[in-house]
Amino acid sequence: GIQVEQSPPDLILQEGANSTLRCNFSDSVNNLQWFHQNPWGQLINLFYIPSGTKQNGRLSATTVATERYSLLYISSSQTTDSGVYFCAVVPGDYKLSFGAGTTVTVRA
Amino acid sequence: KAGVTQTPRYLIKTRGQQVTLSCSPISGHRSVSWYQQTPGQGLQFLFEYFSETQRNKGNFPGRFSGRQFSNSRSEMNVSTLELGDSALYLCASSLELAGETQYFGPGTRLLVL
Repeated sequence: GIQVEQSPPDLILQEGANSTLRCNFSDSVNNLQWFHQNPWGQLINLFYIPSGTKQNGRLSATTVATERYSLLYISSSQTTDSGVYFCAVVPGDYKLSFGAGTTVTVRA
Repeated sequence: KAGVTQTPRYLIKTRGQQVTLSCSPISGHRSVSWYQQTPGQGLQFLFEYFSETQRNKGNFPGRFSGRQFSNSRSEMNVSTLELGDSALYLCASSLELAGETQYFGPGTRLLVL
């Protein structure tokens, strides 16, 4: 099946810092989503971004489908940005496949 | 519009028992998918239902099963529970087409003793 690799696995930031999370995938995909998992386990949709660039407040994402990667940018990080960020792709078999996640800790 | 709801939120069972989890999708959504999250294996796709039919299935043993009702609500069942079935079970709904944006519920935490 498709391989989804996220980097870095862990990220510690000082409040106000900017960061970039990366997601590489091994095959062409029909869809790509970024999620934030809160401490209670709920996955919150951040972006649906099979290609191109999108922005939502302090977050933005870029997917370059031809090169099989996506980037999630967090600017001016806040403590509420802490949590696990997942990239998930929909390959040809339409089974949503998740990366292992990036754990982000933002310190005040 | 209300989000995806899952019941129960927490569950404790013993080995050998069976369990049924419930998921109500966002109003108007016709597709429901189920996922298992464990520390060791991460998030894994279990199955997807659309119009009361299983449309897709992950690589899980037959002890894991599901169904969907005419109102799009879905249930998943795990029979003969094993310790390794302890996990967070997440349900997601989407409008209709395979591969569309999925919206997740809060999950059911299952502990098997």
